[in-house]
Amino acid sequence: DAKTTQPTSMDCAEGRAANLPCNHSTISGNEYVYWYRQIHSQGPQYIIHGLKNNETNEMASLIITEDRKSSTLILPHATLRDTAVYYCIVRPHNAGNMLTFGGGTRLMVKP
Amino acid sequence: SQTIHQWPATLVQPVGSPLSLECTVEGTSNPNLYWYRQAAGRGLQLLFYSVGIGQISSEVPQNLSASRPQDRQFILSSKKLLLSDSGFYLCAWDRNTEAFFGQGTRLTVV
Repeated sequence: DAKTTQPTSMDCAEGRAANLPCNHSTISGNEYVYWYRQIHSQGPQYIIHGLKNNETNEMASLIITEDRKSSTLILPHATLRDTAVYYCIVRPHNAGNMLTFGGGTRLMVKP
Repeated sequence: SQTIHQWPATLVQPVGSPLSLECTVEGTSNPNLYWYRQAAGRGLQLLFYSVGIGQISSEVPQNLSASRPQDRQFILSSKKLLLSDSGFYLCAWDRNTEAFFGQGTRLTVV
């Protein structure tokens, strides 16, 4: 997997949007941007992924810059249950590419 | 729908004892299978990766081994546990897109 850079930690007020950045300046043309999160003492949970276009699902929105060198995960209305470590990963879809995790961003949603 | 089962949820084992953690996947075929370990307050470390029956890649030299006797079964083993083997062990599967994780086994070696 190509390397990604994320802030170590962020705070967000409950009910506000949480915007989590990720830099992936060496991303290749066939690599997708994936986001997972890990709530304390649980296994990671898939959130969203995209290639070039912005994506939205029931959990979050993913904004990918035009040059694809960075992206932002947006939780539109953060709740206390969104407190977790958020991992940004870039990975191609072809076989033989292991899924590895970096340090992620520890998001603390505060009342 | 696909599900992943991992057990037990918690385990306390003495130093020098053997270990066997099992993970099974339902609802898919020929998945990639993973074992990760997470030490307290640390990140996810990939231990083993398998693309098929009997095909295991080890990412970190260690006191552990993995086997895949069936397409949707992945087993993590040790002959003699060390204190440093304590941690949160996670099994996962994917088919080269999004991955799905088990609930984990918290292993304490005493």
